Amino acid sequence: ETGVTQSPTHLIKTRGQQVTLRCSSQSGHNTVSWYQQALGQGPQFIFQYYREEENGRGNFPPRFSGLQFPNYSSELNVNALELDDSALYLCASSSTDNAQETQYFGPGTRLLVL
Amino acid sequence: SQQGEEDPQALSIQEGENATMNCSYKTSINNLQWYRQNSGRGLVHLILIRSNEREKHSGRLRVTLDTSKKSSSLLITASRAADTASYFCATPQGSGAGSYQLTFGKGTKLSVIP
Repeated sequence: ETGVTQSPTHLIKTRGQQVTLRCSSQSGHNTVSWYQQALGQGPQFIFQYYREEENGRGNFPPRFSGLQFPNYSSELNVNALELDDSALYLCASSSTDNAQETQYFGPGTRLLVL
Repeated sequence: SQQGEEDPQALSIQEGENATMNCSYKTSINNLQWYRQNSGRGLVHLILIRSNEREKHSGRLRVTLDTSKKSSSLLITASRAADTASYFCATPQGSGAGSYQLTFGKGTKLSVIP
């Protein structure tokens, strides 16, 4: 059973650029959630994808968007990067078979916006 | 917004001592989960306690839940240097048709001194 993987591990961008982060969910999981974790804070929910559709969204602007693919992998896209977007971005996969239970997190992508 | 708040924010103990972290939350829950994060990496699920449970054990971990006070505690017994990490409580919150998000507190940073 493979765990959740994310790429890249680190990324440096400049303000105004666009970025795409990728996530492969754990085998057998059909739901992917994305979280943003600023330094010294807990993770904040960005959105969740199920059956290739957005299935819940946190308090993030539309320049944060995502995709889920038929193999349940996912992308997080952020347009018009701002300095405050610098954070650790975490992907988590889960199964609708056990809704509201454990989510399995990837190692994260650390994004630095200069 | 933060649902859970951990207390204390930081805790430093000697190896072999017990560590206790507390979590308070605001709304009704189906379950409460504790996660560990090593040095800015991905989160690892530790334990889940359901709203109808008062106490749960897993190895050196003991979790209690008091739904009347909307609080939980995590006890790590006989701590080891490898337990050094940040610990987060998380509660699932529904946000749409079958979707849910985990809402995290700011975490307790535990340092175990050898």
